[in-house]
Amino acid sequence: QKEVEQNSGPLSVPEGAIASLNCTYSDRGSQSFFWYRQYSGKSPELIMFIYSNGDKEDGRFTAQLNKASQYVSLLIRDSQPSDSATYLCAVNMNDMRFGAGTRLTVKP
Amino acid sequence: GAGVSQSPRYKVAKRGQDVALRCDPISGHVSLFWYQQALGQGPEFLTYFQNEAQLDKSGLPSDRFFAERPEGSVSTLKIQRTQQEDSAVYLCASSSPGPSGNEQFFGPGTRLTVL
Repeated sequence: QKEVEQNSGPLSVPEGAIASLNCTYSDRGSQSFFWYRQYSGKSPELIMFIYSNGDKEDGRFTAQLNKASQYVSLLIRDSQPSDSATYLCAVNMNDMRFGAGTRLTVKP
Repeated sequence: GAGVSQSPRYKVAKRGQDVALRCDPISGHVSLFWYQQALGQGPEFLTYFQNEAQLDKSGLPSDRFFAERPEGSVSTLKIQRTQQEDSAVYLCASSSPGPSGNEQFFGPGTRLTVL
């Protein structure tokens, strides 16, 4: 079992829809969780981080964490074509472990 | 500088050559990380420094890989006797404790192609 698992996609949603990205992790002791966005040929950039169970909202983005289920998700509301990218889930397990990423395409 | 910088941005090596990849972290950042990212994959952890101390090198795939950060700032990742499977983007990231915990800021990466 990989330490951080994501569906590789591609996930395709129409413009204006909600995109839902999911991630599970293996280390129950993990404390901090991150979502990075990576455009093709570019380096990852941080979108959100979350430490506590529940929801955390920042603009059109909502991160959700459920430590009991070892599950973290990212919702993107009112998706825009510029949101098309690969979204990487990262979990801090002493050092940072990344999932393989989910490729999101938002169609106009 | 304003962000993490890496050089060279692109490197083509013949199999068996040694290469050295450089990372300049954000000034004042204590922690520095190296990752290897293959096409279509997420970054894979290689090694981690806190200041000049290499605290974790468990991700280095073989003893051909060596990293150093002698003065706690600039870091170099060296790959000896490169193999084709070493072809990847090598990302460097730096971080410092703050409100977002261990937010890592990534450099642009070095794309290594081994022929």
